[in-house]
Amino acid sequence: SQTIHQWPATLVQPVGSPLSLECTVEGTSNPNLYWYRQAAGRGLQLLFYSVGIGQISSEVPQNLSASRPQDRQFILSSKKLLLSDSGFYLCAWRSTTLSYEQYFGPGTRLTVT
Amino acid sequence: GQNIDQPTEMTATEGAIVQINCTYQTSGFNGLFWYQQHAGEAPTFLSYNVLDGLEEKGRFSSFLSRSKGYSYLLLKELQMKDSASYLCAVRAFSGGYNKLIFGAGTRLAVHP
Repeated sequence: SQTIHQWPATLVQPVGSPLSLECTVEGTSNPNLYWYRQAAGRGLQLLFYSVGIGQISSEVPQNLSASRPQDRQFILSSKKLLLSDSGFYLCAWRSTTLSYEQYFGPGTRLTVT
Repeated sequence: GQNIDQPTEMTATEGAIVQINCTYQTSGFNGLFWYQQHAGEAPTFLSYNVLDGLEEKGRFSSFLSRSKGYSYLLLKELQMKDSASYLCAVRAFSGGYNKLIFGAGTRLAVHP
């Protein structure tokens, strides 16, 4: 069966510090991978989307970036965090052959102080 | 633009039935999802509708009317564990690929 991991689970970082969140998927090959952010009381906002190694589509221009160095690894980064980067970051995957639903990882709660 | 509306909060009684509505205005519509999200946790998939009509899955059913831009999630025999946020998401083709556009979610509180 497929599983998706994210770490860390929670993170408190000062403004201006760098960020690296990691997501890995097991039990599937060549998945589509996604990064979302959920601000308090708001819907999920798609940040990045990837169909393969090194292929990244950005939805929202901001100080975040994403990379996919391996087939089942997706990384979200920032060089300098802003207060507005606080939120719940969710990684998701979708099979490219079976169905359209996306499956979410456990998430990272980021607080920028 | 893309817009999805659903009520912010709802309350219901254990054992009752509740209907959560979702209306959308999107271009490139390719289906509609419902997800359940408990506080502090990741969303989990509930249902997917791409054709008009009702899809039933145990205590949960989902309905879609594409001509009206309308969907609802019906929860029967409510249990306390159904207290959660319910997210409506439209799968839409935009910018060269299909993506999910989420509503803000409906927070459902089930009382004894």
